[in-house]
Amino acid sequence: DQQVKQNSPSLSVQEGRISILNCDYTNSMFDYFLWYKKYPAEGPTFLISISSIKDKNEDGRFTVFLNKSAKHLSLHIVPSQPGDSAVYFCAASESHFGNEKLTFGTGTRLTIIP
Amino acid sequence: DVKVTQSSRYLVKRTGEKVFLECVQDMDHENMFWYRQDPGLGLRLIYFSYDVKMKEKGDIPEGYSVSREKKERFSLILESASTNQTSMYLCASSSSSSGRETQYFGPGTRLLVL
Repeated sequence: DQQVKQNSPSLSVQEGRISILNCDYTNSMFDYFLWYKKYPAEGPTFLISISSIKDKNEDGRFTVFLNKSAKHLSLHIVPSQPGDSAVYFCAASESHFGNEKLTFGTGTRLTIIP
Repeated sequence: DVKVTQSSRYLVKRTGEKVFLECVQDMDHENMFWYRQDPGLGLRLIYFSYDVKMKEKGDIPEGYSVSREKKERFSLILESASTNQTSMYLCASSSSSSGRETQYFGPGTRLLVL
């Protein structure tokens, strides 16, 4: 049972435009959400996170939005750059697990077209 | 900078062989994790450890075991490798010291079981 879903396996966006990656979850106990970015032949690297007490968190070109009622989060990248081409994973955790256990989505491959 | 290293980038093993994957972190992190990444399935947690000699099953522990004899080292063992264990294996570590710390990943080991 996939508790964290990324329904778009791939996404192509023109350089300079906005990239929007989506993630849905089913477990209402999740209260902390993260996005990771993965290049080929490298491990995932942390990008941005959001707690369930917020609905938006921004870090430079990256913004994560959380809609708790819809159990949906999204990552916005603006403007998109060629170096943003990677696989993006969203992940979620429950507070009673603290930071110990993350549940990951299936990933979205983002391609930025120059 | 947090550094998580994995003993091999690529491994080729035969069905039935015992396989050891080693992971070392240099940041004195309490928590360590083993995931496998497969196309269309994302990252799935195999085992994790909160402390030396402690281990917890993740979502897909069957066919695997782990060992954590020292804080910095977490080993994944495939007792009798099978072809369905061909995958990318990723190790991660995180700190329990404060708040919701992120997980830091190694570069991965791509294992092929023939």
